Amino acid sequence: AQTVTQSQPEMSVQEAETVTLSCTYDTSENNYYLFWYKQPPSRQMILVIRQEAYKQQNATENRFSVNFQKAAKSFSLKISDSQLGDTAMYFCASHTGANSKLTFGKGITLSVRP
Amino acid sequence: NAGVTQTPKFQVLKTGQSMTLQCAQDMNHEYMSWYRQDPGMGLRLIHYSVGAGITDQGEVPNGYNVSRSTTEDFPLRLLSAAPSQTSVYFCASSYSGTGGPYEQYFGPGTRLTVT
Repeated sequence: AQTVTQSQPEMSVQEAETVTLSCTYDTSENNYYLFWYKQPPSRQMILVIRQEAYKQQNATENRFSVNFQKAAKSFSLKISDSQLGDTAMYFCASHTGANSKLTFGKGITLSVRP
Repeated sequence: NAGVTQTPKFQVLKTGQSMTLQCAQDMNHEYMSWYRQDPGMGLRLIHYSVGAGITDQGEVPNGYNVSRSTTEDFPLRLLSAAPSQTSVYFCASSYSGTGGPYEQYFGPGTRLTVT
């Protein structure tokens, strides 16, 4: 069974600064996928970034990047140059492949202060 | 493409009533799933389907029923609503095949209140 842990319930960051959101996971699979989803107040779930476990290079999408530490089973999200629109709940999730289930962490509420 | 659509967006039920939450996708995805989101709990899987005619239970299936007669549609039925089913419900779909990365596409959600 997969588990995903997000131990920080809330974080706050000043606009234009950098913030890192933590996530750890546990799986017995060798091939799996990791995701960060953003949920703004509109409630829509939006994919922020994905990482294939077999890729050593950390994924990057514009201001968003991950620090993927496979041995430590850690998958943190770094948001650079934080913007007010980044205010949202962020969920870490893992998936082991075709027809498998997506397992979510409990989420973290990020507030960006002007 | 409309992506994943859900109806209704909001619903209030009385205890004991039944209803169906509708979900449809136009991306020809084989894999579809239903989640519920409760404060402090993240998203928890209710039921999922790997193709038409095939469904299975997730983490919290009690009180819910699903069927999958077509690739496009995956309705969720509440058999006899209870206050514990007050939640936000999300439907999602994803590509199902070799190669990954199996990103799930989510509908806009349904906020259900059971009084």
